[in-house]
Amino acid sequence: NAGVTQTPKFRVLKTGQSMTLLCAQDMNHEYMYWYRQDPGMGLRLIHYSVGEGTTAKGEVPDGYNVSRLKKQNFLLGLESAAPSQTSVYFCASSYGAMDRGRGYTFGSGTRLTVV
Amino acid sequence: DAKTTQPNSMESNEEEPVHLPCNHSTISGTDYIHWYRQLPSQGPEYVIHGLTSNVNNRMASLAIAEDRKSSTLILHRATLRDAAVYYCILRSNTNAGKSTFGDGTTLTVKP
Repeated sequence: NAGVTQTPKFRVLKTGQSMTLLCAQDMNHEYMYWYRQDPGMGLRLIHYSVGEGTTAKGEVPDGYNVSRLKKQNFLLGLESAAPSQTSVYFCASSYGAMDRGRGYTFGSGTRLTVV
Repeated sequence: DAKTTQPNSMESNEEEPVHLPCNHSTISGTDYIHWYRQLPSQGPEYVIHGLTSNVNNRMASLAIAEDRKSSTLILHRATLRDAAVYYCILRSNTNAGKSTFGDGTTLTVKP
């Protein structure tokens, strides 16, 4: 009963490096989301997916790409990391938008520092 | 996406009830009202949700105004473990269920 698992939990990147954050859910949820949270602020939606093979832009998509090749996985990529991307990244999943009671399930986050 | 407005911070004494308000004057008929809380260094955790009627669960109660333009999360007896940031969000059954998270309310519980 893992829920939503994010890897890695921590990462330090140099400016210009690339990396991929992995989100995996075992609840057969249709929808998946990537958020970022800067210190003292709320969550901002980066990208989301309403099903396998589909992705869409959220509020702050620039500098990020995503893929959802399998229903249970949602990958967030940074092609050329910038210090402005230093943040905590949260993945969330849910059943379809017709709410079924528990809303979003969030992972525990990935703390990314770009130096 | 419809926005919500919450006070930046609130304080409570341990074992006393806490009423956390949320305004959502632009709510639409298809929007559910959800509450989440975020403990330090953790991801947000679902607390409760509702559409029109008041709701109770083991964690809290949700009181929804008759016009649905505001709601209140009620913690019946605050404990030190309830100290967290509480987010009130709207979730539509359209628009891919996307929600906008504001800055939430930071609840401090004093012993």
